[in-house]
Amino acid sequence: SQQGEEDPQALSIQEGENATMNCSYETSINNLQWYRQNSGRGLVHLILIRSNEREKHSGRLRVTLDTSKKSSSLLITASRAADTASYFCATDAVGSARQLTFGSGTQLTVLP
Amino acid sequence: GAVVSQHPSRVICKSGTSVKIECRSLDFQATTMFWYRQFPKQSLMLMATSNEGSKATYEQGVEKDKFLINHASLTLSTLTVTSAHPEDSSFYICSASQRTGQLLHNQPQHFGDGTRLSIL
Repeated sequence: SQQGEEDPQALSIQEGENATMNCSYETSINNLQWYRQNSGRGLVHLILIRSNEREKHSGRLRVTLDTSKKSSSLLITASRAADTASYFCATDAVGSARQLTFGSGTQLTVLP
Repeated sequence: GAVVSQHPSRVICKSGTSVKIECRSLDFQATTMFWYRQFPKQSLMLMATSNEGSKATYEQGVEKDKFLINHASLTLSTLTVTSAHPEDSSFYICSASQRTGQLLHNQPQHFGDGTRLSIL
């Protein structure tokens, strides 16, 4: 399966700042999901946005989806040191059996 | 919330050994589970889709005789890496979605904590 692209590959910010990560994909999708992975651990689901939605919020997270550009962004506001992790977007493609195709990931480092 | 348990968390063994990794959904039934492989500082690559009561579906380039998948119940899928070699060293992660009456999308997947496999 073709991986999507994420940028930046790595992002380092100060605590309290906002972090924005972008994701691009190639297929038609049912939904796009964002996951977080701490080093050496499994993935934690953060937020799911459906193909007919344009924006979604969950706590300090804000996700946008532009299906015409096949892109999404994840904004983390008021970042904390504990937000340090890798963040992956994943798409559930139309016609798939619910398999997810993951983006290349963004390594976020929040400095205290 | 839905919990997926993966065991063992870490395996170190000699070349030629077969290694079994278990993936369990603890508080829900999972008709379908997924197995991923992740190399250091890279993303997850889907290896196979594990279907309860039927054969697994493997992604292109994944050897089904090398990576044996068994999904004998609605809460357990196993991945066996047969005759493992150093190039099989990787981080293996499973995921599962809650069982639904039909193939429904727009449900998150729940991931295990992964298994770090190191072949000497």
